[in-house]
Amino acid sequence: GIQVEQSPPDLILQEGANSTLRCNFSDSVNNLQWFHQNPWGQLINLFYIPSGTKQNGRLSATTVATERYSLLYISSSQTTDSGVYFCAVQLNNAGNMLTFGGGTRLMVKP
Amino acid sequence: EAQVTQNPRYLITVTGKKLTVTCSQNMNHEYMSWYRQDPGLGLRQIYYSMNVEVTDKGDVPEGYKVSRKEKRNFPLILESPSPNQTSLYFCASSLKLPRYSNQPQHFGDGTRLSIL
Repeated sequence: GIQVEQSPPDLILQEGANSTLRCNFSDSVNNLQWFHQNPWGQLINLFYIPSGTKQNGRLSATTVATERYSLLYISSSQTTDSGVYFCAVQLNNAGNMLTFGGGTRLMVKP
Repeated sequence: EAQVTQNPRYLITVTGKKLTVTCSQNMNHEYMSWYRQDPGLGLRQIYYSMNVEVTDKGDVPEGYKVSRKEKRNFPLILESPSPNQTSLYFCASSLKLPRYSNQPQHFGDGTRLSIL
């Protein structure tokens, strides 16, 4: 079955709007990371966050490990935020691999 | 500058012609891995390496080989490429195994392979 699920799959925002992206996972995790894939295909690490809350500028993330989900918040979105956002987890039952969710494709319109 | 370098960035080739995609990192990382990215399927892990001479299969290893003779290099080898291996490939590294590491994965810029 699906081990890492992201929602929504697609999201269109007007510049300046806020959004919340969700990542659900099926088992306890040792490692959880959020990535942004820009329109040129590059994968940029945003957060390492297996638990707790972190903030970096307009982005913040919260992982509630006991309830098996993580949230990525984007505030005052900009067109440069467009791209695909992935969460990746090291599940306890998945050996030594990082498992990626299917991603949320975000388009921010000017 | 800390980085993961993949080469080539783009390659168009034909079925059956052996190819190698190189990956090199300059951060003294122990853990390296290869992913392929396909539309609708996200990123799937092909192989990973926990250290020199230690490699293991990921989710989709069929048709691929890897080697880890030196800590910095982790080449991906397609002995007999087929059209279903047309994809965007990423190499990544981190200080230690994801299970034990509180450090992020660093990704290369990707290699787009087209197998005709």
